[in-house]
Amino acid sequence: TQLLEQSPQFLSIQEGENLTVYCNSSSVFSSLQWYRQEPGEGPVLLVTVVTGGEVKKLKRLTFQFGDARKDSSLHITAAQTGDTGLYLCAGARSGKTGTASKLTFGTGTRLQVTL
Amino acid sequence: NAGVTQTPKFQVLKTGQSMTLQCAQDMNHEYMSWYRQDPGMGLRLIHYSVGAGITDQGEVPNGYNVSRSTTEDFPLRLLSAAPSQTSVYFCASRGRSTGELFFGEGSRLTVL
Repeated sequence: TQLLEQSPQFLSIQEGENLTVYCNSSSVFSSLQWYRQEPGEGPVLLVTVVTGGEVKKLKRLTFQFGDARKDSSLHITAAQTGDTGLYLCAGARSGKTGTASKLTFGTGTRLQVTL
Repeated sequence: NAGVTQTPKFQVLKTGQSMTLQCAQDMNHEYMSWYRQDPGMGLRLIHYSVGAGITDQGEVPNGYNVSRSTTEDFPLRLLSAAPSQTSVYFCASRGRSTGELFFGEGSRLTVL
């Protein structure tokens, strides 16, 4: 069972356009992370959000955690070719130390930005 | 900085063969984990460990074994490979003070 659904699955845009990627779940998460993965490499952390309603900005990237901590979004302003990659959200649930360490990953959004 | 190192990067097996994917980290992280990545399914947790001598199952553990005899190493064993285990495998580690997962570069496994 995939607890975190991302949309869209694929996105192809031109440089300079804006885009939003969504990460949705019916479960509540104590924190949510966004990773970016480039071909042939492992995912790399972009941001962690922990408070419902929280908004974090990382240059042209804006991340939001839903008020109910069940969903999140990633907005990219004026996309560049360097933004191309696979974007993954990952949610963590609070609990015992061992179980809290488990992250559930979303299905992924593959973004291609062309000139 | 080496970070998380996985070997081999590529492997082709025949059905029924066994092999071990190696993972080592030099960041003194207590938590280590193995994920498999398949198209359209993101990353799915196979097994994880919160410290030496402690392992537990993730969401897709069948067909895989792990052990954690040292803090640094967390090998993943396939005892009898099946075509359904064709995938890209990632090892990741995490320290106690941060929620960030550090991933290796991945091991691409094909089972014929």
